[in-house]
Amino acid sequence: ETGVTQSPTHLIKTRGQQVTLRCSSQSGHNTVSWYQQALGQGPQFIFQYYREEENGRGNFPPRFSGLQFPNYSSELNVNALELDDSALYLCASSLAASGTGEQYFGPGTRLTVT
Amino acid sequence: GENVEQHPSTLSVQEGDSAVIKCTYSDSASNYFPWYKQELGKRPQLIIDIRSNVGEKKDQRIAVTLNKTAKHFSLHITETQPEDSAVYFCAATYRTNAGKSTFGDGTTLTVKP
Repeated sequence: ETGVTQSPTHLIKTRGQQVTLRCSSQSGHNTVSWYQQALGQGPQFIFQYYREEENGRGNFPPRFSGLQFPNYSSELNVNALELDDSALYLCASSLAASGTGEQYFGPGTRLTVT
Repeated sequence: GENVEQHPSTLSVQEGDSAVIKCTYSDSASNYFPWYKQELGKRPQLIIDIRSNVGEKKDQRIAVTLNKTAKHFSLHITETQPEDSAVYFCAATYRTNAGKSTFGDGTTLTVKP
């Protein structure tokens, strides 16, 4: 069984730039959720993708967008980067039909905006 | 929306002692409550979870209790070891919405040898 992977591991961007983060879900999982974890805080839900459609969104502006591909991998795009976007971005995969609520996290991408 | 509060923010115990971390939630529709352990620089890992039709669940040295009426749940770690040192997060979700969890702000547990 393959675990959740993310790329890149670290990224440094300048304010105003755009960034794309990638996530491959665990084998057999069809749902990917993205979270932002600021230093010293718990992960905050950004949005979830299921069957290539956005399936719920947290309190994040439209400049945070995403995609899910037929193989269930996913991308998180952030436009017009702000200093406050500096955080660890985690994706988590789950199986929607399981009804268990369990999700498994990737190692995260550490984004620094200067 | 759901709001989860977690206490304490830091906890220091002597090796062998017990540690208790408490969380409260606001949305009575939440019915799945996982706990994650996050070591420095690593991903959150699910260590135990409880569903709302159960009051208590135990897995070796770790146990979780849930009081639906009071909307609070707790993590209990017995016989703590230095390798238990990490940040622990509680979360709440409606379990068919797998992945849309609301997290607490975490508890940094330090176990002193």
